[in-house]
Amino acid sequence: GAVVSQHPSRVICKSGTSVKIECRSLDFQATTMFWYRQFPKQSLMLMATSNEGSKATYEQGVEKDKFLINHASLTLSTLTVTSAHPEDSSFYICSASGAAGEPQHFGDGTRLSIL
Amino acid sequence: GEDVEQSLFLSVREGDSSVINCTYTDSSSTYLYWYKQEPGAGLQLLTYIFSNMDMKQDQRLTVLLNKKDKHLSLRIADTQTGDSAIYFCAESILDSGAGSYQLTFGKGTKLSVIP
Repeated sequence: GAVVSQHPSRVICKSGTSVKIECRSLDFQATTMFWYRQFPKQSLMLMATSNEGSKATYEQGVEKDKFLINHASLTLSTLTVTSAHPEDSSFYICSASGAAGEPQHFGDGTRLSIL
Repeated sequence: GEDVEQSLFLSVREGDSSVINCTYTDSSSTYLYWYKQEPGAGLQLLTYIFSNMDMKQDQRLTVLLNKKDKHLSLRIADTQTGDSAIYFCAESILDSGAGSYQLTFGKGTKLSVIP
């Protein structure tokens, strides 16, 4: 149980393109979803927290207009990287949690490469 | 502030036990987690322990928690080559602003298993 599916697994696109990443909880309802960014050989950096039906809460230093998060249902959250540039290239990972305090379950991540 | 620290590398021989250590600073942590990350993949939840417990065992995995010293360890018995990965320690703390429990991760310990 507790499977989180993240798509696409890899994206390569030109500078200026907007990219949407989907995160789905397949077998449970996720009241909260989280978006992380991971640089090579580093830990995960929390970008934002989203609760279903509410606006996302962004961490300090994360541009909300750059990284648009939508959590429209209890099983789906999306992260859109708008007008992506090479410095946005990274590994993006989502996670989902059921009720408050339950463990976060992670997707397999999306490798984003901006040329 | 929140800070989770763990050693960066550990090398063990196949069949031996591995012990990965972690220290954290926030005494209000509710749960402490161990996640495993294989190359190019997301994080897999291995096990977790509630902050009022001292020990938890799950098959080859044993978690020890010393709350007084804020020290957490993960012991993997009979380590196999398939256990080679990066292991992240994380503490869960309530973020009242976001209305959710958030994870603070260590930088990860790379476990290398020598055949």
